[in-house]
This record gives sequence, structure tokens and C-alpha cells, in this order.
Amino acid sequence: QVQLVQSGAEVKKPGASVKVSCKASGYTFTGYYMHWVRQAPGQGLEWMGRINPNSGGTNYAQKFQGRVTMTRDTSISTAYMELSRLRSDDTAVYYCARDPVAGGHDYWGQGTLVTVSS
Amino acid sequence: DIQMTQSPSSLSASVGDRVTITCRASQGISNYLAWYQQKPGKVPKLLIYAASTLQSGVPSRFSGSGSGTDFTLTISSLQPEDVATYYCQKYNSALWTFGQGTKVEIK
Repeated sequence: QVQLVQSGAEVKKPGASVKVSCKASGYTFTGYYMHWVRQAPGQGLEWMGRINPNSGGTNYAQKFQGRVTMTRDTSISTAYMELSRLRSDDTAVYYCARDPVAGGHDYWGQGTLVTVSS
Repeated sequence: DIQMTQSPSSLSASVGDRVTITCRASQGISNYLAWYQQKPGKVPKLLIYAASTLQSGVPSRFSGSGSGTDFTLTISSLQPEDVATYYCQKYNSALWTFGQGTKVEIK
């Protein structure tokens, strides 16, 4: 069965960087784009970007351009999302989510809470 | 960038009511639209993709329609377990966007 398992919660200081991992299993990792979505406390879903695990090609939402980097390691079927120059308003749950090609996100990771606080 | 606007932001309806949520795109997106349900403290769940195709396992009381700029999600008979926030999402290009969400409660 398809599973996306994310790394654990993080606490960071303003200005620092965070790197969240998402380990995929149960399907061919390189066959499906992986997306990252975040949700601030009490707020809606915000799409951050995606990576093509086969080529490594990425697309980022304009809001995060210059601050986000999505990478992957195909040898261990893991996608990564690194966000730099963290601010307090980056406090959120970060999700990885698979793109099934037909549309939308059919499988999601369990979420990783990133707290940015001095 | 294409903006996605949902309405209403919240609604309250009785069990058994027909509920309709609207999502409007600022430009045409053909049928590249998905709908999600997110219950409190839970991961979002894909309900519908390609504007009207029901994801496997989703109850048939959920349906989607629309094309171009105007889309609707309909719950034909609201159930207590449908209390959640619903999001639309467009995916017609390399850049995807969510609507702001519609919170559905039971009256």
C-alpha cells in the first residue's frame, strides 16, 4: 500500500533553515510528482511547489521562490523540502502529497509541524 | 497567477440537506479542478478530481460539476460525518492553487 512517512516535528529560530523529509513506499517513486503543501495554525491549505522525482525538475509557488528548495534521493525513495530564512509566519504543518497524474493529491504524508520561535 | 475563490466561507445546514459549495477561478482552467475534505486535526482527503470524477471510496452523495471558471461541490444529503472544511484546487499548469476553504457545520 502507498505510504508517505514524514520526518518529525522541528523547532527553529527565526532566520534558520528547516529540511523536512518524506519517504515513499508501496509504489514506483520516480513515476509520480511529489508536492509540498503547508497549513498554518487555523488557516487553509497553501501549495508550495512540486518535484519530478525522475528528473529532479521543480516548480515553486512564486511566494516561496528563493527560499524553498525541493530535492529527492531516488536510492531511498525520499523527497525533501528545505525552507530557509524562516520567519514566525512559517510556523505550520508541512505535508508532502503525491500527484497521481489524473489530478489532485491522492496520498498525503502525516504532516510535520515546524515551529519558528525565538 | 490564477486565483481560486470559494463561497461561502462557512455554512450551517441540517442533516439531510443538500449543500452546495462554489469555487470560481480568475481565468479558465478547463476541468483541472480537485476538491478535498479536511476534518479537524486530520490530513486532507481527495474527494473529486477532473471537476466531476469521484475518487475511489468516496460516498456517492458527493458530486462535482463545472468547467472553465465556475465549479460546484454538492453534498446531496448532508451527514454528521461530513462536518469538515472543503477546499478546491486548480492544477491546469505547473503551478497549483487552493481555494481558501469552506467550513461546513451541522445546524
